[in-house]
Amino acid sequence: KAGVTQTPRYLIKTRGQQVTLSCSPISGHRSVSWYQQTPGQGLQFLFEYFSETQRNKGNFPGRFSGRQFSNSRSEMNVSTLELGDSALYLCASSWGLAAYNEQFFGPGTRLTVL
Amino acid sequence: AQTVTQSQPEMSVQEAETVTLSCTYDTSESDYYLFWYKQPPSRQMILVIRQEAYKQQNATENRFSVNFQKAAKSFSLKISDSQLGDAAMYFCAYTLETSGSRLTFGEGTQLTVNP
Repeated sequence: KAGVTQTPRYLIKTRGQQVTLSCSPISGHRSVSWYQQTPGQGLQFLFEYFSETQRNKGNFPGRFSGRQFSNSRSEMNVSTLELGDSALYLCASSWGLAAYNEQFFGPGTRLTVL
Repeated sequence: AQTVTQSQPEMSVQEAETVTLSCTYDTSESDYYLFWYKQPPSRQMILVIRQEAYKQQNATENRFSVNFQKAAKSFSLKISDSQLGDAAMYFCAYTLETSGSRLTFGEGTQLTVNP
């Protein structure tokens, strides 16, 4: 069974631009969560999608948004990029919404904002 | 606020020895799940072990075991017979029964395994 895939793996953007990251969950998984990882703030939850609906949202500004498609693939978008948005963005998928479900992480997208 | 604290930013252990990584958490909820994740240099997060808060018995997975002290809100990870492949950043995390798959992570402990 293929794991969680994220594209692109690396991205370089400049301030003010916008970016879209993609996540394909493990086949059969319907829940997708996104996390931002930075040296200063650590791992922080962005949002979670299940059945094309956002079920949970972290404490991030409105510049961060996401969506989920009917095939469970998810995208996250960051508009008006700031230097502080440079981070590793991790996507995780699980079978369902329940807290006990194991989450499987993708390799991440490394975003650099210049 | 819900928090997870890992007081050891770095730890080292000799190959074949045992090491314990510490974690404390703070939540007012009674139903939750605790996890240890490993992040090697490849950056891919891998689940090491999981503990249900309602279970008194400590979870074990081969060389990995936990010491779960619910009253003290402590959840330490013991790695026995350490191997070079265990070198990684280890994160303690939890999810609440009421918050779906949302993981709250600690700051991480960088584990070095010396040959």
